[in-house]
Amino acid sequence: EDQVTQSPEALRLQEGESSSLNCSYTVSGLRGLFWYRQDPGKGPEFLFTLYSAGEEKEKERLKATLTKKESFLHITAPKPEDSATYLCAVQAGGSQGNLIFGKGTKLSVKP
Amino acid sequence: DSGVTQTPKHLITATGQRVTLRCSPRSGDLSVYWYQQSLDQGLQFLIQYYNGEERAKGNILERFSAQQFPDLHSELNLSSLELGDSALYFCASSVGVVGTEAFFGQGTRLTVV
Repeated sequence: EDQVTQSPEALRLQEGESSSLNCSYTVSGLRGLFWYRQDPGKGPEFLFTLYSAGEEKEKERLKATLTKKESFLHITAPKPEDSATYLCAVQAGGSQGNLIFGKGTKLSVKP
Repeated sequence: DSGVTQTPKHLITATGQRVTLRCSPRSGDLSVYWYQQSLDQGLQFLIQYYNGEERAKGNILERFSAQQFPDLHSELNLSSLELGDSALYFCASSVGVVGTEAFFGQGTRLTVV
């Protein structure tokens, strides 16, 4: 069964304290791995797509990496506005385009 | 703003009732997806349409149905509502069938009382 597990469930950081979020996956034929950011009561906001092991993407203070079994979202020198829930999702091989989501990591950054 | 529009933003209704949620995808996107998000379950895939045709089905109850119209907007119909159907319902759209990122709307918060 295709599955996505994110850890930790919650993470509290001080402003400027860098850290990483983990996304482990088991999927039959990975077509893509996606990172989203979600603020309370809002829709997920697309951040990155990774397609193959070794690939990396960066955007401001965020950097996403991918291996054959997991992905990391590295947050460098976070700011309070980075506080949100970060969701990881995979798209399996086949003709279906749906995403399988993890339950997310809730990040709080204190000033 | 993702470009995906969902209406209404909030909906409060009684058990046993039927509601319709509406979604307009981003301009140029042919795929529309519906997801349900509850506190304990996370984001759960319900159904995907591509250019008017059903493409994939997830954990969608028989009381729920959806369609995509020729102008590509989509509707999700929820009937015989139960308290447990209270959740956030999101629509997302993407250009292709597979392999491309999906952009989400702001959701419809459904409360069944």
